[in-house]
Amino acid sequence: GESVGLHLPTLSVQEGDNSIINCAYSNSASDYFIWYKQESGKGPQFIIDIRSNMDKRQGQRVTVLLNKTVKHLSLQIAATQPGDSAVYFCAESQARSGGGADGLTFGKGTHLIIQP
Amino acid sequence: DAGITQSPRHKVTETGTPVTLRCHQTENHRYMYWYRQDPGHGLRLIHYSYGVKDTDKGEVSDGYSVSRSKTEDFLLTLESATSSQTSVYFCAISEGQGAEKLFFGSGTQLSVL
Repeated sequence: GESVGLHLPTLSVQEGDNSIINCAYSNSASDYFIWYKQESGKGPQFIIDIRSNMDKRQGQRVTVLLNKTVKHLSLQIAATQPGDSAVYFCAESQARSGGGADGLTFGKGTHLIIQP
Repeated sequence: DAGITQSPRHKVTETGTPVTLRCHQTENHRYMYWYRQDPGHGLRLIHYSYGVKDTDKGEVSDGYSVSRSKTEDFLLTLESATSSQTSVYFCAISEGQGAEKLFFGSGTQLSVL
């Protein structure tokens, strides 16, 4: 079946540098994409989302880019801080015609490590 | 955690025993979900609910059942726990107006010995 995946399981960056976490998806019908951050021992925490009618969305220190042509999603974190150390998941879903959704399909995650 | 309480937070049980995990929300959201998280598999959907007494299966529903008798509570039951059900279980909620973000609880660590 179709699934969401990540290019790299671990990403190590220097504190203060920008981080880019990539995600590939294969379901061409997906119309909603989202990034989560998960710290050790906690539940996933929402970071930013984007719908398929957009190709870029910015939040506080984070930007999500969506390239529907190549089915690629990325999360950019500016000026990475020690508190950004976590596992980052991308996820996607497809809205049902009657409204609502059947939940999100998650990628396996990328562990972001911040080096001092 | 967005008004979501999962209980218990940790549980150790033996193979063959029944186990029920509880998710309680104070947000009055329509949709509730149960996911399990395992190394190498990420988060996988077990069951979800789109209203009181309305539930449906997810990707990994075998061996699990759910019930939702009230908007605020969503129960996950393992009728006869197996070692393969050792996992971290997360409950999530959403308003369900369309494909949209889920808010997650803190999780339940379940060990089946």
